[in-house]
Amino acid sequence: GAVVSQHPSRVICKSGTSVKIECRSLDFQATTMFWYRQFPKQSLMLMATSNEGSKATYEQGVEKDKFLINHASLTLSTLTVTSAHPEDSSFYICSALDPYEQYFGPGTRLTVT
Amino acid sequence: DAKTTQPPSMDCAEGRAANLPCNHSTISGNEYVYWYRQIHSQGPQYIIHGLKNNETNEMASLIITEDRKSSTLILPHATLRDTAVYYCIVRVAAGNTGKLIFGQGTTLQVKP
Repeated sequence: GAVVSQHPSRVICKSGTSVKIECRSLDFQATTMFWYRQFPKQSLMLMATSNEGSKATYEQGVEKDKFLINHASLTLSTLTVTSAHPEDSSFYICSALDPYEQYFGPGTRLTVT
Repeated sequence: DAKTTQPPSMDCAEGRAANLPCNHSTISGNEYVYWYRQIHSQGPQYIIHGLKNNETNEMASLIITEDRKSSTLILPHATLRDTAVYYCIVRVAAGNTGKLIFGQGTTLQVKP
């Protein structure tokens, strides 16, 4: 089956710094990728849809200037959390369409101290 | 996309069949029923999907009622590794770039 990877799997950063998370489709090309956030004991919340070569589409309530998404190639999308604060600590998960089904990455645990 | 309703939690004995229900009474004619599961601290895993016919694969079976207002995911011989949160999602499928909107899901606990 289609494989999606994320890097890093865990990251700890200090408040005010920026963190970049990578999402890669390893054995297929994905024109569309999705970014989700999950807080403890809660469900996944869709943050944005990332389309290769164009601007991401953000869900209502998600700050586009804080969560920068870049989808520069058919196998890579990145999420940058800018000026991170403790409330941004969460489990970030990406998924990629191949071509109609979504395959999920293993997630990135972000802790902001 | 239509909303779904699932029980928050269920228990199942190891080796027995796990039957997870899902209500989707507002489902539209072009919407599919998808099931994913999420094992603790991992990304969701696709299980199965269907439109109106029952479906079976190596992981599970999906039974959809004739009126399509509800469905049941069946894990025929549950193991401890099947302990996870199971999500039932309804969305348009073929040819789309449709988003997956996750509800609260059902936490399945498989017990020895």
